[in-house]
Amino acid sequence: DAKTTQPTSMDCAEGRAANLPCNHSTISGNEYVYWYRQIHSQGPQYIIHGLKNNETNEMASLIITEDRKSSTLILPHATLRDTAVYYCIVKRNFGNEKLTFGTGTRLTIIP
Amino acid sequence: GAVVSQHPSWVICKSGTSVKIECRSLDFQATTMFWYRQFPKQSLMLMATSNEGSKATYEQGVEKDKFLINHASLTLSTLTVTSAHPEDSSFYICSARWGQGAYEQYFGPGTRLTVT
Repeated sequence: DAKTTQPTSMDCAEGRAANLPCNHSTISGNEYVYWYRQIHSQGPQYIIHGLKNNETNEMASLIITEDRKSSTLILPHATLRDTAVYYCIVKRNFGNEKLTFGTGTRLTIIP
Repeated sequence: GAVVSQHPSWVICKSGTSVKIECRSLDFQATTMFWYRQFPKQSLMLMATSNEGSKATYEQGVEKDKFLINHASLTLSTLTVTSAHPEDSSFYICSARWGQGAYEQYFGPGTRLTVT
C-alpha cells in the first residue's frame, strides 16, 4: 500500500520556486512527513521533515495542510543542481521504523 | 549533516564470486544501519536492517544466506553478496542512524555492482 502519492515528474524554471506536492491522506497522528531527494547515481539526501507545523531550513520549506492529508515541499529559488528525484515519506519516529521509498517526483530544473 | 561513506564506489566481479561492500559512519556512532538496493529507473528497496551487535533483520524476499550483513561495530557495517549472479547487478546503498527514533537517516553515496 502506497502511503504517499506524488506526481511522476515536474519541470521548473531556474530561479523560480519549485513546489512539489504530496498526498498522504491516510497519515496517522504520530507519523511525520519526511522529504529526501536523490540526485542521479548518488545516495538520497535528507531535506526536511515535519509533524503538523510548517517547517523551514536552509534547503527548503515544508507546508503541511491543517488536516495533514497533504503537504508541499518548496525550493524557493531552484538551481540546476536541484534536478533530482524527490521522495515524500511518512514515518513514525520511534523504534526501528523504516524509511520506505515510493516512486517520487522527478524534478527537472530548466535553464 | 553526518557523513556516511561506502567502499568501493563501484565494483565489477565475475559470476559465482563474492563481493563485500563496506559502509562506515564517519562522525557519529550508528546504532542502526540499513541496506537498500536500487535497480535502474526504480526506487530504493530496503533489503535489511541491522543493529550493532545483533543479527540483521531481512525484508521479505531477501535471501539472508546470499546477502550477508555484519554490523560488528558502531561505525561499520558490511554487506557481502555471495555467489553473485548478473541479476544481482544493482546500486547498493547503505544508511545509518544514531539511536532509536532519531529523526534523520544519513545515506552513503552508493556502490554500483556489476556482475559479469
